[in-house]
Amino acid sequence: QSVLTQPPSASGTPGQRVAISCSGGFSNIETNTVSWYQQIPPTAPKLLIYANDQRPSGVPDRFSGSKSGTSASLAINGLQSEDEADYYCATWDDRLRNWVFGGGTRLTVL
Amino acid sequence: EVQLVQSGAEVKKPGESLKISCEASGSTFSNYWVAWVRQKPGKGLEWMGIIYPDDSDTRYLPSFRGQVTISADRSINTAYLQWTSLMTSDTAIYYCATAPVIDFPQVGWGSWGQGTLVTVSS
Repeated sequence: QSVLTQPPSASGTPGQRVAISCSGGFSNIETNTVSWYQQIPPTAPKLLIYANDQRPSGVPDRFSGSKSGTSASLAINGLQSEDEADYYCATWDDRLRNWVFGGGTRLTVL
Repeated sequence: EVQLVQSGAEVKKPGESLKISCEASGSTFSNYWVAWVRQKPGKGLEWMGIIYPDDSDTRYLPSFRGQVTISADRSINTAYLQWTSLMTSDTAIYYCATAPVIDFPQVGWGSWGQGTLVTVSS
């Protein structure tokens, strides 16, 4: 059971906007920043968003992140077929004094 | 940005020991924390622990403490993940990743190794 809660699946059609949620608590999301990772199996995860809403260079601006209280969200605008992947949120947990992941959300582009 | 190259796939029997590696290049290892992440077949990502190679400060997630050993040799920019007695349940892909020391832990894990598949079977 993951410390952070994500929906197991999400879907959308090309061009649509999709949002994936990540719910946590005071010891993690409330007091620390959130990062998001994209994994296209069987390859390694890739950093999409860090510090809640910052994009590393090379990540399209279709991807955006936000955080409010104990929840965070990843939004993908103008969905494309290559966005079909697993998405994970992660943050530091002050109680565990270590990192935690969400369980992952499989995004399907219909 | 740092590039990470992990050691190759391993096939082991239960009870055997194993040490896999993650070599960094392209940037000073001392500027980064290193994490190990497990992904069992068809499952999600799990943090195992992190290490700061400069002083070997190591922190394990509770479920991995005592089960594995994370270490690093900063002189050769390499981090390690080690088991003394493997179990079939250790079958997984193991990834290393790095995050910058500056602003840690309010950062992202920006570089990832290609993963090492460990198969434990009798």
